[in-house]
Amino acid sequence: ETGVTQTPRHLVMGMTNKKSLKCEQHLGHNAMYWYKQSAKKPLELMFVYSLEERVENNSVPSRFSPECPNSSHLFLHLHTLQPEDSALYLCASSRGTGVHTDTQYFGPGTRLTVL
Amino acid sequence: EDQVTQSPEALRLQEGESSSLNCSYTVSGLRGLFWYRQDPGKGPEFLFTLYSAGEEKEKERLKATLTKKESFLHITAPKPEDSATYLCAVVDTGTASKLTFGTGTRLQVTL
Repeated sequence: ETGVTQTPRHLVMGMTNKKSLKCEQHLGHNAMYWYKQSAKKPLELMFVYSLEERVENNSVPSRFSPECPNSSHLFLHLHTLQPEDSALYLCASSRGTGVHTDTQYFGPGTRLTVL
Repeated sequence: EDQVTQSPEALRLQEGESSSLNCSYTVSGLRGLFWYRQDPGKGPEFLFTLYSAGEEKEKERLKATLTKKESFLHITAPKPEDSATYLCAVVDTGTASKLTFGTGTRLQVTL
Protein backbone atom coordinates (compact mmCIF):
# COMPACT_ATOMS: atom_id res chain seq x y z
CA GLU A 1 0.00 0.00 0.00
CA THR A 2 1.20 3.49 -0.75
CA GLY A 3 0.07 6.96 0.27
CA VAL A 4 -2.90 7.36 2.59
CA THR A 5 -5.49 4.61 2.88
CA GLN A 6 -8.91 4.70 4.54
CA THR A 7 -11.33 1.95 5.54
CA PRO A 8 -14.14 1.36 5.07
CA ARG A 9 -14.78 3.22 1.84
CA HIS A 10 -18.53 3.23 2.45
CA LEU A 11 -20.46 2.99 5.72
CA VAL A 12 -24.17 3.04 6.48
CA MET A 13 -25.15 3.25 10.13
CA GLY A 14 -28.16 3.93 12.29
CA MET A 15 -28.23 6.73 14.81
CA THR A 16 -27.72 4.36 17.73
CA ASN A 17 -24.78 2.45 16.24
CA LYS A 18 -21.11 2.75 17.15
CA LYS A 19 -18.56 2.48 14.37
CA SER A 20 -14.98 3.50 13.66
CA LEU A 21 -13.19 4.90 10.63
CA LYS A 22 -9.57 3.96 10.08
CA CYS A 23 -6.80 5.85 8.34
CA GLU A 24 -3.25 4.69 7.68
CA GLN A 25 -0.44 6.66 6.08
CA HIS A 26 2.58 5.00 4.47
CA LEU A 27 4.53 8.22 3.84
CA GLY A 28 6.50 8.52 7.06
CA HIS A 29 4.65 11.72 7.95
CA ASN A 30 4.31 13.21 11.43
CA ALA A 31 0.95 14.97 11.27
CA MET A 32 -2.50 13.58 10.51
CA TYR A 33 -5.87 15.25 9.99
CA TRP A 34 -9.59 14.46 9.82
CA TYR A 35 -11.81 16.54 7.51
CA LYS A 36 -15.54 16.48 6.79
CA GLN A 37 -16.73 17.22 3.24
CA SER A 38 -20.43 17.92 2.70
CA ALA A 39 -22.09 18.76 -0.59
CA LYS A 40 -21.69 22.39 -1.69
CA LYS A 41 -19.53 23.19 1.38
CA PRO A 42 -15.77 23.65 1.77
CA LEU A 43 -13.76 20.97 3.50
CA GLU A 44 -14.11 21.38 7.26
CA LEU A 45 -11.14 20.58 9.47
CA MET A 46 -12.18 18.42 12.43
CA PHE A 47 -9.03 17.25 14.21
CA VAL A 48 -5.26 17.55 13.89
CA TYR A 49 -2.61 15.32 15.42
CA SER A 50 1.13 16.00 15.45
CA LEU A 51 3.41 13.23 16.69
CA GLU A 52 0.35 11.47 18.11
CA GLU A 53 -0.73 14.48 20.18
CA ARG A 54 -3.97 16.28 19.39
CA VAL A 55 -3.13 19.87 18.55
CA GLU A 56 -6.47 21.09 17.22
CA ASN A 57 -10.10 20.29 17.77
CA ASN A 58 -12.33 22.62 15.79
CA SER A 59 -15.48 22.60 17.94
CA VAL A 60 -16.47 19.12 16.83
CA PRO A 61 -19.40 17.46 18.68
CA SER A 62 -18.41 14.84 21.22
CA ARG A 63 -20.16 12.12 19.20
CA PHE A 64 -16.95 12.18 17.10
CA SER A 65 -13.96 10.85 19.04
CA PRO A 66 -10.50 10.67 17.43
CA GLU A 67 -7.65 8.37 18.39
CA CYS A 68 -4.04 8.40 17.19
CA PRO A 69 -2.13 5.41 18.61
CA ASN A 70 1.00 6.12 16.53
CA SER A 71 2.14 8.45 13.76
CA SER A 72 0.92 6.07 11.03
CA HIS A 73 -2.61 5.38 12.23
CA LEU A 74 -5.61 7.58 12.93
CA PHE A 75 -9.12 6.54 13.94
CA LEU A 76 -12.43 8.36 14.15
CA HIS A 77 -14.86 6.71 16.55
CA LEU A 78 -18.52 7.45 15.87
CA HIS A 79 -21.50 7.08 18.20
CA THR A 80 -25.10 8.31 18.27
CA LEU A 81 -24.66 10.25 15.04
CA GLN A 82 -27.31 12.42 13.40
CA PRO A 83 -28.48 12.31 9.76
CA GLU A 84 -26.73 15.65 9.14
CA ASP A 85 -23.42 13.90 9.89
CA SER A 86 -23.73 12.07 6.56
CA ALA A 87 -20.76 13.21 4.48
CA LEU A 88 -17.41 12.19 3.01
CA TYR A 89 -14.81 11.91 5.78
CA LEU A 90 -11.29 12.51 4.59
CA CYS A 91 -8.01 11.73 6.29
CA ALA A 92 -4.81 13.55 5.37
CA SER A 93 -1.18 13.55 6.46
CA SER A 94 1.74 15.96 6.18
CA ARG A 95 5.45 15.61 6.75
CA GLY A 96 6.38 18.19 9.34
CA THR A 97 5.37 18.65 12.93
CA GLY A 98 4.53 22.31 12.28
CA VAL A 99 1.04 21.44 11.19
CA HIS A 100 -0.51 23.19 8.18
CA THR A 101 2.82 24.45 6.86
CA ASP A 102 3.48 21.37 4.74
CA THR A 103 1.50 19.97 1.85
CA GLN A 104 -1.28 17.67 2.98
CA TYR A 105 -1.87 14.38 1.17
CA PHE A 106 -5.36 12.95 1.28
CA GLY A 107 -6.83 9.49 1.43
CA PRO A 108 -9.78 8.40 -0.73
CA GLY A 109 -12.31 9.09 2.01
CA THR A 110 -15.12 7.18 3.72
CA ARG A 111 -18.63 7.92 2.46
CA LEU A 112 -20.80 7.86 5.60
CA THR A 113 -24.58 7.67 5.53
CA VAL A 114 -26.52 8.00 8.80
CA LEU A 115 -30.07 6.71 8.68
CA GLU B 1 -11.58 35.50 9.31
CA ASP B 2 -9.89 33.85 6.34
CA GLN B 3 -11.99 33.59 3.20
CA VAL B 4 -11.48 31.71 -0.05
CA THR B 5 -13.85 32.25 -2.99
CA GLN B 6 -13.60 30.22 -6.16
CA SER B 7 -15.20 31.07 -9.50
CA PRO B 8 -16.87 29.98 -11.57
CA GLU B 9 -18.74 27.35 -9.57
CA ALA B 10 -18.95 25.16 -12.68
CA LEU B 11 -17.29 25.34 -16.10
CA ARG B 12 -17.91 23.36 -19.22
CA LEU B 13 -15.24 23.40 -21.94
CA GLN B 14 -14.78 21.65 -25.22
CA GLU B 15 -11.58 19.66 -25.69
CA GLY B 16 -8.81 22.08 -26.66
CA GLU B 17 -10.66 25.16 -25.38
CA SER B 18 -8.31 26.90 -22.90
CA SER B 19 -9.64 28.77 -19.86
CA SER B 20 -8.81 29.89 -16.31
CA LEU B 21 -10.20 29.18 -12.86
CA ASN B 22 -10.07 31.88 -10.19
CA CYS B 23 -9.35 31.71 -6.47
CA SER B 24 -9.72 34.95 -4.50
CA TYR B 25 -8.53 34.96 -0.91
CA THR B 26 -8.53 37.18 2.16
CA VAL B 27 -5.91 36.50 4.81
CA SER B 28 -3.90 38.55 7.27
CA GLY B 29 -0.72 37.09 5.82
CA LEU B 30 -0.26 34.34 3.27
CA ARG B 31 1.89 31.39 4.28
CA GLY B 32 0.91 29.33 1.23
CA LEU B 33 -1.79 28.73 -1.37
CA PHE B 34 -2.57 25.19 -2.48
CA TRP B 35 -4.36 23.78 -5.52
CA TYR B 36 -5.90 20.32 -5.43
CA ARG B 37 -7.82 18.23 -7.94
CA GLN B 38 -10.69 16.04 -6.73
CA ASP B 39 -12.39 13.34 -8.77
CA PRO B 40 -15.90 12.17 -7.77
CA GLY B 41 -15.85 9.85 -4.76
CA LYS B 42 -12.11 10.35 -4.19
CA GLY B 43 -9.89 12.43 -1.96
CA PRO B 44 -8.21 15.63 -3.15
CA GLU B 45 -4.98 15.13 -5.11
CA PHE B 46 -2.24 17.71 -4.57
CA LEU B 47 -1.27 19.82 -7.60
CA PHE B 48 0.68 22.95 -6.58
CA THR B 49 1.82 25.14 -3.70
CA LEU B 50 2.48 28.84 -4.24
CA TYR B 51 4.09 31.01 -1.59
CA SER B 52 4.58 34.55 -2.92
CA ALA B 53 3.07 36.95 -5.43
CA GLY B 54 4.50 36.52 -8.90
CA GLU B 55 5.22 32.85 -8.43
CA GLU B 56 4.14 30.42 -11.17
CA LYS B 57 4.13 26.63 -11.37
CA GLU B 58 3.32 24.29 -14.25
CA LYS B 59 2.36 20.67 -14.63
CA GLU B 60 1.37 19.28 -18.01
CA ARG B 61 -1.63 21.37 -19.21
CA LEU B 62 -2.00 23.22 -15.88
CA LYS B 63 -0.33 26.45 -14.81
CA ALA B 64 -0.94 28.16 -11.47
CA THR B 65 -0.17 31.83 -10.83
CA LEU B 66 -0.39 33.98 -7.71
CA THR B 67 -0.99 37.65 -6.95
CA LYS B 68 -1.51 39.35 -3.59
CA LYS B 69 -5.27 38.81 -3.75
CA GLU B 70 -5.92 35.87 -6.04
CA SER B 71 -4.62 32.83 -7.84
CA PHE B 72 -5.44 31.51 -11.28
CA LEU B 73 -5.32 27.98 -12.54
CA HIS B 74 -4.87 28.14 -16.31
CA ILE B 75 -5.82 25.08 -18.31
CA THR B 76 -4.33 24.94 -21.80
CA ALA B 77 -5.91 22.71 -24.46
CA PRO B 78 -7.80 20.61 -21.90
CA LYS B 79 -8.69 16.97 -22.43
CA PRO B 80 -11.70 15.02 -21.08
CA GLU B 81 -9.46 13.47 -18.41
CA ASP B 82 -8.97 16.95 -16.92
CA SER B 83 -12.61 16.86 -15.83
CA ALA B 84 -12.70 17.14 -12.03
CA THR B 85 -13.37 19.59 -9.22
CA TYR B 86 -10.44 21.92 -8.58
CA LEU B 87 -10.01 23.10 -4.99
CA CYS B 88 -8.04 26.07 -3.72
CA ALA B 89 -6.89 26.42 -0.10
CA VAL B 90 -4.82 28.93 1.87
CA VAL B 91 -2.77 28.90 5.04
CA ASP B 92 -2.72 32.16 6.99
CA THR B 93 0.31 33.26 9.00
CA GLY B 94 -1.84 35.36 11.31
CA THR B 95 -4.00 32.69 12.90
CA ALA B 96 -3.25 29.12 13.83
CA SER B 97 -2.12 28.48 10.27
CA LYS B 98 -5.39 26.71 9.58
CA LEU B 99 -5.87 25.43 6.03
CA THR B 100 -9.00 27.13 4.65
CA PHE B 101 -10.61 25.68 1.53
CA GLY B 102 -12.88 27.16 -1.11
CA THR B 103 -15.91 25.30 -2.41
CA GLY B 104 -14.20 24.42 -5.69
CA THR B 105 -14.78 24.76 -9.42
CA ARG B 106 -16.37 21.76 -11.12
CA LEU B 107 -14.79 21.42 -14.58
CA GLN B 108 -16.25 19.31 -17.36
CA VAL B 109 -14.33 18.87 -20.62
CA THR B 110 -16.27 17.37 -23.52
CA LEU B 111 -15.14 15.97 -26.86
